[in-house]
Amino acid sequence: QQPVQSPQAVILREGEDAVINCSSSKALYSVHWYRQKHGEAPVFLMILLKGGEQKGHEKISASFNEKKQQSSLYLTASQLSYSGTYFCGTAFTGGGADGLTFGKGTHLIIQP
Amino acid sequence: NAGVMQNPRHLVRRRGQEARLRCSPMKGHSHVYWYRQLPEEGLKFMVYLQKENIIDESGMPKERFSAEFPKEGPSILRIQQVVRGDSAAYFCASSQGTGNGGELFFGEGSRLTVL
Repeated sequence: QQPVQSPQAVILREGEDAVINCSSSKALYSVHWYRQKHGEAPVFLMILLKGGEQKGHEKISASFNEKKQQSSLYLTASQLSYSGTYFCGTAFTGGGADGLTFGKGTHLIIQP
Repeated sequence: NAGVMQNPRHLVRRRGQEARLRCSPMKGHSHVYWYRQLPEEGLKFMVYLQKENIIDESGMPKERFSAEFPKEGPSILRIQQVVRGDSAAYFCASSQGTGNGGELFFGEGSRLTVL
């Protein structure tokens, strides 16, 4: 039930765009995106809820296709600070009865 | 406003010893989650607790691992008779409401090394 992320890694030059995908084999209640820099704690980026509600940072955008059980994170005009590992986390119920299940992550490297 | 505090940050144990990892959630948060992370792996859910209650422990091994979140004090993840395979980073996260619909705030992690 672990979501599958793609690509596993991506290298960009500063200013380029990237899309990170997350797909699940099970119906989802919500998709969560986090970024983790090496040796640090994961940091919240965005939540996408069934029904279309989104909560997150203004400079981050993402989509959630409930029928396909897929989500994509869009990073535009990338900056050096965007480097890190991006994790999607999935929740199957809305009642808080299960913890998030995270994918293996997508490594993003931004070069000057 | 202090964030999620975990200690110790680094812990070294010999095989067969016990490891205790502590997590103090953010002020006002009553939901605590523990995750384990291996190199090049994602965060693997272990257990979800609210004050004095284990809500979901489906990700925690049945043997040697236990967790608690007492009425007073931090949440504790306890690993008895550690083995080399327990070496990992253990992250705690807290949330104000249920994490499924809200943001999780993660601590810096506790890195356990079993010799």
